Amino acid sequence: GAGVSQSPSNKVTEKGKDVELRCDPISGHTALYWYRQSLGQGLEFLIYFQGNSAPDKSGLPSDRFSAERTGGSVSTLTIQRTQQEDSAVYLCASSGGQGAYEQYFGPGTRLTVT
Amino acid sequence: DAKTTQPPSMDCAEGRAANLPCNHSTISGNEYVYWYRQIHSQGPQYIIHGLKNNETNEMASLIITEDRKSSTLILPHATLRDTAVYYCIVRVAGEGGATNKLIFGTGTLLAVQP
Repeated sequence: GAGVSQSPSNKVTEKGKDVELRCDPISGHTALYWYRQSLGQGLEFLIYFQGNSAPDKSGLPSDRFSAERTGGSVSTLTIQRTQQEDSAVYLCASSGGQGAYEQYFGPGTRLTVT
Repeated sequence: DAKTTQPPSMDCAEGRAANLPCNHSTISGNEYVYWYRQIHSQGPQYIIHGLKNNETNEMASLIITEDRKSSTLILPHATLRDTAVYYCIVRVAGEGGATNKLIFGTGTLLAVQP
């Protein structure tokens, strides 16, 4: 079946604008994660969804970042009033549930804030 | 912070076995060892995971020491397409709302040479 998909693949935006990044997880996967990878940096966790609820938002860097998940499927990560330091690759992953399930990653959205 | 230590880079000749070490001396009894890799410009790819016993799948073998303080990922016949950053991660695989997030370190850049 299809893997995790993300859109857009690339996004260039001006500083101060809002952006929305979309993630379509693997069908049936209940757990969904957002990570980001800045240039020259490692991958950092942002937020975790189990179903439509987000029990772990500890990685969101500021209140400009928010995410939602509807219908236990698609998730949207929103960044308000973008800053240049928000430039990164935003990665989404899904897994079959809690426990020792592996996470499957999408190709990422490359966000560039000018 | 990541709870693992890996060499920053390794070389391997094509067709030979690649042995990637990882130290996780502070691992807890309920933490699994996971390996992911990230090929340039792609999302991370799950390879293998284990708790106590050695594991093998179609991609690789995972050897965990008896005291669980270190492990080795073995790619039995490395190809050029195996050139990637390899991440060793320890994580709790919990139920009941545990986050299961992945905390990535800096990984090992494996360069497979022709």
